[in-house]
Amino acid sequence: EAGVTQFPSHSVIEKGQTVTLRCDPISGHDNLYWYRRVMGKEIKFLLHFVKESKQDESGMPNNRFLAERTGGTYSTLKVQPAELEDSGVYFCASTLRTGDEQYFGPGTRLTVT
Amino acid sequence: GQNIDQPTEMTATEGAIVQINCTYQTSGFNGLFWYQQHAGEAPTFLSYNVLDGLEEKGRFSSFLSRSKGYSYLLLKELQMKDSASYLCAVRDPGNTPLVFGKGTRLSVIA
Repeated sequence: EAGVTQFPSHSVIEKGQTVTLRCDPISGHDNLYWYRRVMGKEIKFLLHFVKESKQDESGMPNNRFLAERTGGTYSTLKVQPAELEDSGVYFCASTLRTGDEQYFGPGTRLTVT
Repeated sequence: GQNIDQPTEMTATEGAIVQINCTYQTSGFNGLFWYQQHAGEAPTFLSYNVLDGLEEKGRFSSFLSRSKGYSYLLLKELQMKDSASYLCAVRDPGNTPLVFGKGTRLSVIA
């Protein structure tokens, strides 16, 4: 069974540009989570999808971040326009049922210069 | 508010036993997770405690005391491959997002 995959693994962009991160959860997992780890800080929750619906987006930092999960399969997280403080590692996780242990992807390392 | 504390770094010798502590203060509690993360890789699930006591899984064990807001991860017969970051995470009741500590970077030396 394939695990959670994320693309790209690394992205370096300039301030003001747009970047789109992609997450493919484990097949059949309805629950998909986005987290972010800023350097020196802990991993922090961004939002939670159940199928294509946003269940909880309380962790989204501001309206420069837009997450979608059309069709309830893969998800994208767009940052537009990117700022320096957006640099960090963005993780995606998925579960079959709400409350199960979360399976994480390897993350996308975003660097905004 | 939520606060999870764990030591930043630890060093232990191959073959030894190491205990990584985690204390938490959260508005609610619905389980504590331990994850292992090697550099540049995905955090991988190690253990889950929701009731007080010890959960054993091979060389790894995890303990929880809800009244004390305290957990530890015990690693026995340390191997070089156990060098990694160990993340403590708490889940609130009614919520599924995990609240993480900053992680403990464990170095296993010969």
